[in-house]
This record gives sequence, structure tokens and C-alpha cells, in this order.
Amino acid sequence: QKEVEQDPGPLSVPEGAIVSLNCTYSNSAFQYFMWYRQYSRKGPELLMYTYSSGNKEDGRFTAQVDKSSKYISLFIRDSQPSDSATYLCAMSPNSGGYQKVTFGTGTKLQVIP
Amino acid sequence: DVKVTQSSRYLVKRTGEKVFLECVQDMDHENMFWYRQDPGLGLRLIYFSYDVKMKEKGDIPEGYSVSREKKERFSLILESASTNQTSMYLCASSFYGNHNEQFFGPGTRLTVL
Repeated sequence: QKEVEQDPGPLSVPEGAIVSLNCTYSNSAFQYFMWYRQYSRKGPELLMYTYSSGNKEDGRFTAQVDKSSKYISLFIRDSQPSDSATYLCAMSPNSGGYQKVTFGTGTKLQVIP
Repeated sequence: DVKVTQSSRYLVKRTGEKVFLECVQDMDHENMFWYRQDPGLGLRLIYFSYDVKMKEKGDIPEGYSVSREKKERFSLILESASTNQTSMYLCASSFYGNHNEQFFGPGTRLTVL
């Protein structure tokens, strides 16, 4: 079993839809949860960064962490064609010193105009 | 604007050749990372470095070595390229105190024939 599971998609939605992207994990030591966005032929870029459980909102994006269920989500409201990309969840036990960041395999999202 | 650059976007090499992939960052980051990205396997850490001349093995170091002679530059070396090293190689950097926020380069697509 992988430490982090993520549905690879692809996920196709019409413009304006609410998108839900999810990851599950097995390591209860994970405390920091990230979402990276990767456009085609580009490197990933950090989109959202949360600590422990709860919600974090940034514009049209909301990151949600449920540590009791070992489940994290990224919601995109009013999705746009420019949101078409692969979304990678990532997580780690801490922020200081060094602990490996574990990435999901990514979900490919296509927003159709 | 922060930047991580990689020496080549596309590279084709023959089996047995020695291959050098170079990465340069202009953010004065202490940490630098080399990953490979393969479909269905996601991002896998090859090596990372937290200071000049310092390196730590990641999950898949076999067949690779690294060099960090200057803070801004991190090189990945394939001593004798093999076909199973055909992949997308991504370099990233971060501040020492925050390895969760990594800045990625655009990647090098390496094909070994």
C-alpha cells in the first residue's frame, strides 16, 4: 500500500463547476499538507499549504484536512479553463530540519469551456 | 521573481553514457532536491542537499550521484545511463527551515536509448 493515494483521473468538468480533488494517506505522523499544481511541460508550483486539521481558503481554492480520517481535499470553485493542470497532494511530518515530503501521483484536471 | 533553472529541457543519450543534469537557483536556498517523475509513480526523491558539499540519499539513489560545489548549483550525474532511467527529472529548492515549500524547475525529459 502506498503512503499517499490519489486518483489519477483524468477529471473533466465544465467551466464554472466546483471541483473536488482528494488524497488519502496512511502515515499518522503527517502534520503538514500541501497541494501543488503542475501545468503541462512545467514543474510543480505550490498552491496551498496547511498545518494539521481544518480548512484554509485562498480565493477560489479551499484546502481541507481531516486527520481523523486521514483524508485531504482541495476544492476549486467557479473552475476556469486555466485551472486545467495536474494537481499533486504532498505531505510531511514537520517543517524544520528535514523530513521527506511524500507526494501523491497527481490528478489530471481538465476544465472544458 | 524566484527561479530554478535546469540546463536542458530535452536530452537523448545512449546506454552507458555518463549524463550530467544541472540545476541552478537564484533564491539563496539552502536545500536542493532531485526528483524523477514517472506516470503512476509520481515524484520520487533521488537525492537532496542541505548545504554545500552535503548530500543525503533519497528513496531511489541507485545509479545516480550528485555534486554541490556551490550553494546555487546542484548537479545530478548518471554514471552509466540505462534505459530504465528514461524519465522526467525535476530539480527543486527550498529554505532550510521550510522544506515543504519547494520551488521546482521546469524539468528535463531524458530519454536513454
